[in-house]
Amino acid sequence: GAGVSQSPSNKVTEKGKDVELRCDPISGHTALYWYRQRLGQGLEFLIYFQGNSAPDKSGLPSDRFSAERTGESVSTLTIQRTQQEDSAVYLCASSKRQGTDEKLFFGSGTQLSVL
Amino acid sequence: GNSVTQMEGPVTLSEEAFLTINCTYTATGYPSLFWYVQYPGEGLQLLLKATKADDKGSNKGFEATYRKETTSFHLEKGSVQVSDSAVYFCALRNNAGNMLTFGGGTRLMVKP
Repeated sequence: GAGVSQSPSNKVTEKGKDVELRCDPISGHTALYWYRQRLGQGLEFLIYFQGNSAPDKSGLPSDRFSAERTGESVSTLTIQRTQQEDSAVYLCASSKRQGTDEKLFFGSGTQLSVL
Repeated sequence: GNSVTQMEGPVTLSEEAFLTINCTYTATGYPSLFWYVQYPGEGLQLLLKATKADDKGSNKGFEATYRKETTSFHLEKGSVQVSDSAVYFCALRNNAGNMLTFGGGTRLMVKP
């Protein structure tokens, strides 16, 4: 597609359930990033991929969070045993490669609500 | 560690008013600085950027100058329009280039 695509756009789940969020980056983009935006707060870095490896996992909030990427394509962010504090917009971004000047392209996000 | 602080919103202006959204940062080394904009119902978009001290980024009438001496990157526009209503995020990218650090966002509301 022309841009970064995320699905679902909205997800409502019950506390304790697992959820999987999907990101389709722009074709050819080797770098992929996941961010979280809680209500009224700034963007929080979660994890980034260069190709299918994740050199920096420092932002993952807990071991309930995991992410994987297939080649230089789709990435999934999985949250196990969801908690109410996981409610947020989860944003994915991609760029041609990792680098200070590389422009990031963002998806529209997945709004996750944990009841 | 790196951090970005921007003024809290919402900022409410009348059309054609002058806009300033303050942004200051803390970082090691020489980061690149960015302003992103999020229009209602859309994803984040890069508005402008500056990669070294004294650089001025500009786009769509918006400007911001990388001030190393004051560690600031304030966003300005001389005459805002209703269509500028959005949330604006200041961000920096560290030397390794592997992640962006964002400010909390400032909501701008422009009334006709």
